[in-house]
Amino acid sequence: EIVLTQSPGTLSLSPGERATLSCWASQSIGSSKFAWYQQKPGQAPRLLIYGASIRATGIPDRFSGSGSGTDFTLTISRLEPEDSAVYYCQRSGSSHPWTFGQGTKVEIK
Amino acid sequence: QVTLKESGPVLVKPAETLTLTCTVSGFSLSNAAMGVSWIRQPPGKALEWLAHIFSNDERSYSTSLKSRLTISRDTSKSQVVLTMTNMDPVDTATYYCARFTRPYYGMDVWGQGTTVTVSS
Repeated sequence: EIVLTQSPGTLSLSPGERATLSCWASQSIGSSKFAWYQQKPGQAPRLLIYGASIRATGIPDRFSGSGSGTDFTLTISRLEPEDSAVYYCQRSGSSHPWTFGQGTKVEIK
Repeated sequence: QVTLKESGPVLVKPAETLTLTCTVSGFSLSNAAMGVSWIRQPPGKALEWLAHIFSNDERSYSTSLKSRLTISRDTSKSQVVLTMTNMDPVDTATYYCARFTRPYYGMDVWGQGTTVTVSS
């Protein structure tokens, strides 16, 4: 089973700064089956990025995803206070178990 | 408008079987481009994918929980049901269902979640 490892565990940045979140897979993943989610306290997760780099409907363009194989990145170009949340990477697909990373918490100073 | 809503018991006893229902609206469970997943989240912990089911009834389960899980669907009722046997206090969590769409399988619409506590 593929394991997803996210780094860092917590990221503390100021508004306007750039946030770079990483996710490493224990085996190569097809980039079309890779996604990022945002979860705020007390809320269900929200799909941000799918297909490794495609923004979901309504997601601001300050969020971008990149990567392939085993290394994936979520970038928030200019942090807003409302971006304070936990971010999860996830591997999906049609014929195997899915997995989530353990999450990266983004704190806005 | 697409919505999903989880329902089930708030409290179950250890060793009991949990049955959760996800009722969907705004799309059909027979739509070949869509499916439904179950995900859980223990208090203060990360998301854990449990199972999913496609429109053709193809199913997949978490490797670690496979022996305890069954996912099924009733298209006429627009419901997806998850059963988990032999419940334990470590299974205390918020359980979510979510719709995913092919070809990328992103889970684009989530239910609000239902909290299940396992305690005697």
